[in-house]
Amino acid sequence: DAGVIQSPRHEVTEMGQEVTLRCKPISGHNSLFWYRQTMMRGLELLIYFNNNVPIDDSGMPEDRFSAKMPNASFSTLKIQPSEPRDSAVYFCASSRPEGGVSTDTQYFGPGTRLTVL
Amino acid sequence: SQKIEQNSEALNIQEGKTATLTCNYTNYSPAYLQWYRQDPGRGPVFLLLIRENEKEKRKERLKVTFDTTLKQSLFHITASQPADSATYLCALSGRSGNTGKLIFGQGTTLQVKP
Repeated sequence: DAGVIQSPRHEVTEMGQEVTLRCKPISGHNSLFWYRQTMMRGLELLIYFNNNVPIDDSGMPEDRFSAKMPNASFSTLKIQPSEPRDSAVYFCASSRPEGGVSTDTQYFGPGTRLTVL
Repeated sequence: SQKIEQNSEALNIQEGKTATLTCNYTNYSPAYLQWYRQDPGRGPVFLLLIRENEKEKRKERLKVTFDTTLKQSLFHITASQPADSATYLCALSGRSGNTGKLIFGQGTTLQVKP
């Protein structure tokens, strides 16, 4: 299995520009999570989906952030307009129930390091 | 509000010794507690899961304990090696049947010196 795939791995952009991060979860996983990690705040959950439906977006910092999951194999996290304080590493993770019970074990992608100048 | 605390200071130990990392939580009753390892420039990797009705779990040189009364988990690495150097994150999940949300601690960085 290829694991969770994220692109791009690195993104440098200027303040005000639109940024789109992409994620392909592990095949067969029905939950997908977007996290942001910084030294100051650690790993923060932004939003997660179950069966392509957004369940909890309470971690999305502002209306500038939006996420979609049009199908089971693809999700995007968009920031528009981007700001320097959005600079962080963004991780996508996926999980699936095992034996009909969710143990919530998550498999993370390599992350996208975003720098907003 | 829910809070998870891990040792904020890095833990430095000598190769061969046992490393013990602590995870404390408040205002929460997790169904599961998980430990992840994160290397620089990489995403967290799952190591161990322990359920609320389990006291201890082992996997090779790793051991996790879970005390729901103290609201604490201890993560042990025996016979530590320099390759064990990484940041270790604890994560709490909700009640059984929860949709899968995890809350992560800030992590503790372990440095094993040869």
